[in-house]
Amino acid sequence: DTGVSQNPRHKITKRGQNVTFRCDPISEHNRLYWYRQTLGQGPEFLTYFQNEAQLEKSRLLSDRFSAERPKGSFSTLEIQRTEQGDSAMYLCASSLGEGVSQTQYFGPGTRLLVL
Amino acid sequence: GNSVTQMEGPVTLSEEAFLTINCTYTATGYPSLFWYVQYPGEGLQLLLKATKADDKGSNKGFEATYRKETTSFHLEKGSVQVSDSAVYFCALKEKAGGTSYGKLTFGQGTILTVHP
Repeated sequence: DTGVSQNPRHKITKRGQNVTFRCDPISEHNRLYWYRQTLGQGPEFLTYFQNEAQLEKSRLLSDRFSAERPKGSFSTLEIQRTEQGDSAMYLCASSLGEGVSQTQYFGPGTRLLVL
Repeated sequence: GNSVTQMEGPVTLSEEAFLTINCTYTATGYPSLFWYVQYPGEGLQLLLKATKADDKGSNKGFEATYRKETTSFHLEKGSVQVSDSAVYFCALKEKAGGTSYGKLTFGQGTILTVHP
């Protein structure tokens, strides 16, 4: 079963450091999403790719955040100059094709703690 | 903008009890509606979905009916098990052609604990 995978699963960093997370979607999925989930809340949309094109970014995604999907396969999410408020679970999801009924499949997430 | 509101939790039930988790939504168009479940230590999994009004989604004994008139998608199960203990999220997705490009908007989640 090759579901969505994310690495690392946990990351502890000091405030001001840069961190990078990786997401590997299900292999044939052309759409890839990043969400952020804080404790006790539901996931919130950050950004979305169709193949290698980044088509939408949430206002939650400050200029310290950057996401890439260089070859339309895996994606990276980088946070520069981390702040304590960036502590959260970062979730990646992928889906196949268009259509409102297309299911998004989620990875296990990367839990970030900024000290 | 779109929003999803779930009943306040946590919910604690005894095994074989009836479960209802309320979910209401606000959307500009006619979204698809989803219930996702997050078991302890695991990622979000799709539980069920409905894509148009009056559709009923069902899976693993859980059901939810898309009610356009009340903008609701309440989750129900007739007899819960200990293994159903998890966090349940209601979510919506706008139809293609809108400005959201398929992003999901989630509720805050409801923690369900089922005791033997």
